[in-house]
Amino acid sequence: QKEVEQDPGPLSVPEGAIVSLNCTYSNSAFQYFMWYRQYSRKGPELLMYTYSSGNKEDGRFTAQVDKSSKYISLFIRDSQPSDSATYLCAMSETGTASKLTFGTGTRLQVTL
Amino acid sequence: DGGITQSPKYLFRKEGQNVTLSCEQNLNHDAMYWYRQDPGQGLRLIYYSQIVNDFQKGDIAEGYSVSREKKESFPLTVTSAQKNPTAFYLCASSMALLTDTQYFGPGTRLTVL
Repeated sequence: QKEVEQDPGPLSVPEGAIVSLNCTYSNSAFQYFMWYRQYSRKGPELLMYTYSSGNKEDGRFTAQVDKSSKYISLFIRDSQPSDSATYLCAMSETGTASKLTFGTGTRLQVTL
Repeated sequence: DGGITQSPKYLFRKEGQNVTLSCEQNLNHDAMYWYRQDPGQGLRLIYYSQIVNDFQKGDIAEGYSVSREKKESFPLTVTSAQKNPTAFYLCASSMALLTDTQYFGPGTRLTVL
């Protein structure tokens, strides 16, 4: 079993839909949670960064962390074709600036 | 512009040849990282460095080597010992000790023929 599980998709939604992307994890020591967006043949770019449980909102994006369930989510409201990309979740343990553990990524396609 | 640059964008090499991938950052970050990305496997850590002249192996270091002679530079050599070198290679950096946020370069696609 992988330490971080993420549905690879692809997930196809119409423009304007609300998108829900999710990751589950098994390591209860994870405290920092991130979402990266990666366009085809490009490097990942940081989208959202949260510490411990709770919600964080930034424009059309909301990140949710439920540590009791070991489950994190990224919601995208009013999805746009420009949101079409692969979304990677990543997480790390408390107090370390070392490696991140990544999910495999979910490919999202927003259609007109 | 501040950021991370990787060169070249595409690289082709014959089997059995060593090849070096470049990574430079002008973000004044202490830590730098190399990842490998394969379809369906996500990003896997090859090597990382917290400070100049020091680096540690990641999860899949076999067949790779690195150096960190300058804060801004962290080149990765893919040696002939790496059994399956064809992949997308990503370099990242972070402030280190202050945050786990890593910022990525644009990547190098290596194809070994």
